[in-house]
Amino acid sequence: DTGVSQDPRHKITKRGQNVTFRCDPISEHNRLYWYRQTLGQGPEFLTYFQNEAQLEKSRLLSDRFSAERPKGSFSTLEIQRTEQGDSAMYLCASSFGDRESSGYTFGSGTRLTVV
Amino acid sequence: SQKIEQNSEALNIQEGKTATLTCNYTNYSPAYLQWYRQDPGRGPVFLLLIRENEKEKRKERLKVTFDTTLKQSLFHITASQPADSATYLCALGLNAGNNRKLIWGLGTSLAVNP
Repeated sequence: DTGVSQDPRHKITKRGQNVTFRCDPISEHNRLYWYRQTLGQGPEFLTYFQNEAQLEKSRLLSDRFSAERPKGSFSTLEIQRTEQGDSAMYLCASSFGDRESSGYTFGSGTRLTVV
Repeated sequence: SQKIEQNSEALNIQEGKTATLTCNYTNYSPAYLQWYRQDPGRGPVFLLLIRENEKEKRKERLKVTFDTTLKQSLFHITASQPADSATYLCALGLNAGNNRKLIWGLGTSLAVNP
């Protein structure tokens, strides 16, 4: 297992278009998280899955954002009708249960630029 | 209000010296605290976790302290090297029902000069 993979690494899109990102977590990790990060800020929580169930979604997240994790493996994050304020690094992380001592394993992120 | 604060200014130190980064919080009662390293354009990398009942944790050249009375964690890198230059993030682990939620600081940029 090579860690958490995210695809694509970079995405440039025009305002109003839809985009979809993919995350492949570490295979034995049952928890998967999506975060958003802008320059000089810490990661901002978006949503979290345990296996295939989406257990929490940030109240700050608009209805334009949706995430899925079919079969409890990879996950997709879709942003509809993108806006310039959506430009950020989108990070995926995975963990195994409550094994906090191992922390979260993050992917390298998808950098979204909305023009 | 609830806040997490890390050194607001970037830290510049000379190679070989000890770097000390701070993480202060208010109005939280974390079950644990984690420290991560982040390089430009990459995701954070987990370094260390310290629990609320622990005072100090070490890993190689890294040392973390946790004072729940002062509501502060200190992160030390001894014998620092230019390769330690990065942004360091602290994250509080909170109990939220059946889930542990992480609340992140903004990070502190560290530059180790040769």
